[in-house]
Amino acid sequence: EVQLLESGGGLVQPGGSLRLSCAASGFAFGSRGMSWVRQAPGKGLQWVSSISDGGTRTYYADSVRGRFTISRDNSENTLYLQMSGLRTDDTAVYYCATIAVASYWYFDLWGRGTLVTLS
Amino acid sequence: EIVLTQSPGILSLSPGERATLSCRASQSVSLAWYQQKPGQAPRLLIYGASSRATDIPDRFSGSGSGTDFTLTISRLEPEDFAVYYCQQYGSSATFGQGTRLEIK
Repeated sequence: EVQLLESGGGLVQPGGSLRLSCAASGFAFGSRGMSWVRQAPGKGLQWVSSISDGGTRTYYADSVRGRFTISRDNSENTLYLQMSGLRTDDTAVYYCATIAVASYWYFDLWGRGTLVTLS
Repeated sequence: EIVLTQSPGILSLSPGERATLSCRASQSVSLAWYQQKPGQAPRLLIYGASSRATDIPDRFSGSGSGTDFTLTISRLEPEDFAVYYCQQYGSSATFGQGTRLEIK
């Protein structure tokens, strides 16, 4: 079955750190660019970060640049998001998603998300 | 940053009716549409403004180019009532604020 499964969310204090994981299965993970997209409670979607298939190119939204780091382990079919310097406005459900076609950042497969709460 | 503006914010219609959702960009973009139901992840509906994603029913169609785009649902089914987002991928990625399609 083709799926993405996020984990690592939870309750954290402002200024703290957290690492999210996204386990991929059922497709050629190492051939796909990947992204994180978040959604604050009751709000819309916000792109957070993307990484190329090989992991050599990374991209960030201005709101998280310098605080979040995206990475991947293609041998383990896993995507990561290391978050530090967390702020209350980082509270959101964090989704991992596959980039459908390299250089065209629309997202064709999504995980169920993991909730990060700052309090 | 490219800004996407969706209208209307809320659309109230009955099953069987036709829904027309709009998305306007602050500059020329490539566009996708997503559907999101409560408690679920978004689902890709349309990419390249008018190409349906895998397994999307043909009652969903997209049109437009440049800065003005439309998502049309020809005959609403009960399962179509949800929030719809447009997303540009011409420069990084940004989403519109969403249109809530509710049952009248």
